[in-house]
Amino acid sequence: GIQVEQSPPDLILQEGANSTLRCNFSDSVNNLQWFHQNPWGQLINLFYIPSGTKQNGRLSATTVATERYSLLYISSSQTTDSGVYFCAVPVYNQGGKLIFGQGTELSVKP
Amino acid sequence: NAGVTQTPKFRILKIGQSMTLQCTQDMNHNYMYWYRQDPGMGLKLIYYSVGAGITDKGEVPNGYNVSRSTTEDFPLRLELAAPSQTSVYFCASSSSGVDGYTFGSGTRLTVV
Repeated sequence: GIQVEQSPPDLILQEGANSTLRCNFSDSVNNLQWFHQNPWGQLINLFYIPSGTKQNGRLSATTVATERYSLLYISSSQTTDSGVYFCAVPVYNQGGKLIFGQGTELSVKP
Repeated sequence: NAGVTQTPKFRILKIGQSMTLQCTQDMNHNYMYWYRQDPGMGLKLIYYSVGAGITDKGEVPNGYNVSRSTTEDFPLRLELAAPSQTSVYFCASSSSGVDGYTFGSGTRLTVV
């Protein structure tokens, strides 16, 4: 089955810094999702991005499907950005189940 | 619009006990999922359903059972709880199985 790998596993930033999180996947995909799990455990859907670039405020994501990777950019980080960021790929012939990466744990210090 | 509602939020079970984790969604989504998340790990799929009356196993189904009698409800049953089932359980739904996934707030289960 498809493998999803994320890097780095953890990241510590000072407030205001920028960061790039990476997600590699082992096979061609038709969709890719980025989630943020906040310190209280809630999973929030950030982007659905099968290809190209999308932006939402200080966050943006780019997926290059032909090269099997996706990047999540966080600019001018804030303490509220802390948490774990997951990328996940749905498997269409198995009910759209999501295959998750191991996550990148981000800590933004004031 | 409540989205995906899970109950209870926390539970402690003794080894060998049974319980049902409840999951309800009010978005009329056909696709529903149960995941578990162990500390420091990503989520792994336990069971999923593509519509009422249809369920299938995910990656880690052993020790669990599900049913889907209505579109709204997708309960997860633990029989004979074991310490290895200590985890955080998330229920999710999707309208299409392609995007628009919505997750519940999770159930933190400890088996002692």
